[in-house]
Amino acid sequence: GAVVSQHPSWVICKSGTSVKIECRSLDFQATTMFWYRQFPKQSLMLMATSNEGSKATYEQGVEKDKFLINHASLTLSTLTVTSAHPEDSSFYICSAGSGTGGGETQYFGPGTRLLVL
Amino acid sequence: GQSLEQPSEVTAVEGAIVQINCTYQTSGFYGLSWYQQHDGGAPTFLSYNALDGLEETGRFSSFLSRSDSYGYLLLQELQMKDSASYFCAVRDQAAGNKLTFGGGTRVLVKP
Repeated sequence: GAVVSQHPSWVICKSGTSVKIECRSLDFQATTMFWYRQFPKQSLMLMATSNEGSKATYEQGVEKDKFLINHASLTLSTLTVTSAHPEDSSFYICSAGSGTGGGETQYFGPGTRLLVL
Repeated sequence: GQSLEQPSEVTAVEGAIVQINCTYQTSGFYGLSWYQQHDGGAPTFLSYNALDGLEETGRFSSFLSRSDSYGYLLLQELQMKDSASYFCAVRDQAAGNKLTFGGGTRVLVKP
């Protein structure tokens, strides 16, 4: 299957700092990538859809000025959590689609655990 | 919008068979996917059904009935390593390529 990487895997930061998370599709080009957040024992919640070369589409309730998304190339999308606070502590996971039309499958990166102190 | 319902937890013994049901409501159904997630890990893709019927991949099988808005994941010959959370997810044509996930079913395999 397709490989998606994320970096870093773990982040611990102080409240008020900004954190950048990278998501890369290693062996395929992804015009669309997705960013999810998952709290313990809960399901994945889609935060935004990242489109190469255009603005991201944010889900309702997600602050676009707080969670900055950049999709500068067909293999890289970044999520920046600005002025992070303890409530932003979560598991952030990206995914990228492989294939076209109805057969597209999303492959997930290994995730990034963010802990804001 | 889209919504999916699946049981929250299932417990079974090694060697048993477990069926995880998933019912969904969506405006423009495109396909039903299943993902496995171990504690501390990211979801891994298991299967995708776009058409009615059963898809078999080793010990795991997935079924879809579009007319009933229903699908299931069948885990056979359960092994301890199958203890994980299993999520169904739908792709909705009206929502582009976005996946909407169910709440997840936690499967606990006991010796």
